[in-house]
Amino acid sequence: GAGVSQTPSNKVTEKGKYVELRCDPISGHTALYWYRQSLGQGPEFLIYFQGTGAADDSGLPNDRFFAVRPEGSVSTLKIQRTERGDSAVYLCASSLDSSGQGNGYTFGSGTRLTVV
Amino acid sequence: SQQGEEDPQALSIQEGENATMNCSYKTSINNLQWYRQNSGRGLVHLILIRSNEREKHSGRLRVTLDTSKKSSSLLITASRAADTASYFCATANKAAGNKLTFGGGTRVLVKP
Repeated sequence: GAGVSQTPSNKVTEKGKYVELRCDPISGHTALYWYRQSLGQGPEFLIYFQGTGAADDSGLPNDRFFAVRPEGSVSTLKIQRTERGDSAVYLCASSLDSSGQGNGYTFGSGTRLTVV
Repeated sequence: SQQGEEDPQALSIQEGENATMNCSYKTSINNLQWYRQNSGRGLVHLILIRSNEREKHSGRLRVTLDTSKKSSSLLITASRAADTASYFCATANKAAGNKLTFGGGTRVLVKP
């Protein structure tokens, strides 16, 4: 597609429930990134994929968070046993490669997750 | 943890004035990028400056980079009400796999 697509745009869930957030990157972009942003703060890195493999998952806060990218395109961020502190905007971005010398990341519009 | 820190945290100016914001970072970098965000949703890439560059221009944007001081500045000239947004610097560090690390942002309000 023309841009990075994230679904749903908003998700309200009850504490303890499981949620999946989807990211559809730009076609041909091999690198895919997940960030989390709390109100009034900058995006915080969670995980990034190069192709199908997670190249760096050092930002995942705990083992309730997991992400996959089985075919090297669409990625799903999965959160188990959600807590109120998980409430944030989850941002996905993609780039042509992960060399860091390209033209930056293209971000999706994010999924606003609210845990009640 | 966040690598960059923007200064000021918030900026209010009149349309037509210039807006300047600064970013400081801690470790050596491969490149530094500036992004804009409206209404707390998707970020838009504005400009990338490599570690061996000192200044870069794009339209009304001017970015400088001083690697000796580990700092960068973003200047928006002749600001417009549509420039109202949050602006973030982000650094790419080869040792960290070139993933971007963002600062806390500067919230800019341009009054018509």
